[in-house]
Amino acid sequence: DAKTTQPNSMESNEEEPVHLPCNHSTISGTDYIHWYRQLPSQGPEYVIHGLTSNVNNRMASLAIAEDRKSSTLILHRATWRDAAVYYCINSGGGADGLTFGKGTHLIIQP
Amino acid sequence: SQTIHQWPATLVQPVGSPLSLECTVEGTSNPNLYWYRQAAGRGLQLLFYSVGIGQISSEVPQNLSASRPQDRQFILSSKKLLLSDSGFYLCAWEGGMRTDTQYFGPGTRLTVL
Repeated sequence: DAKTTQPNSMESNEEEPVHLPCNHSTISGTDYIHWYRQLPSQGPEYVIHGLTSNVNNRMASLAIAEDRKSSTLILHRATWRDAAVYYCINSGGGADGLTFGKGTHLIIQP
Repeated sequence: SQTIHQWPATLVQPVGSPLSLECTVEGTSNPNLYWYRQAAGRGLQLLFYSVGIGQISSEVPQNLSASRPQDRQFILSSKKLLLSDSGFYLCAWEGGMRTDTQYFGPGTRLTVL
């Protein structure tokens, strides 16, 4: 899995949009971009994934740069329930598991 | 729908004692199964993965072992626990397709004293 770089932490206010960046300059052409999040004392939870095109689901949107060397996870209206560590992972889809970095600790201010 | 179970939820064990953590998946067949560990304040570390019954791949050499006696059962074991084995142990499954996501269980918090 290619290495990803994320800010250690970010703060946002409730009900405002949050843009979480991720750099993955060594991503291969066949790697998918996955985002997971981990709430306190819980296992990671899948958020969204994409390959080249921007993706939307009920949880978030994923904006992928044209050169695929970076991506941004967008939470449209963050609430306190979204406070978690967000992990950006590049994966080639093999069975050998995911490589989790340190992620971004998202803090939501009331 | 698919569900993943882990037990126990918490465990306190003395150094040198054995360990057995169990993970089972319902609602799917022939899943890829994974054991991860998260030490306090650290990221997740992949320990073992399995693509089928009796097939185990180890990512990190240590005093832990894994077994897959049934298609949807994954067991993490140790003969003698070390202090450094303390952590949050997570089991996960995926369907095996290239774009499949991993689904994690609730985890077992192990404290070795």
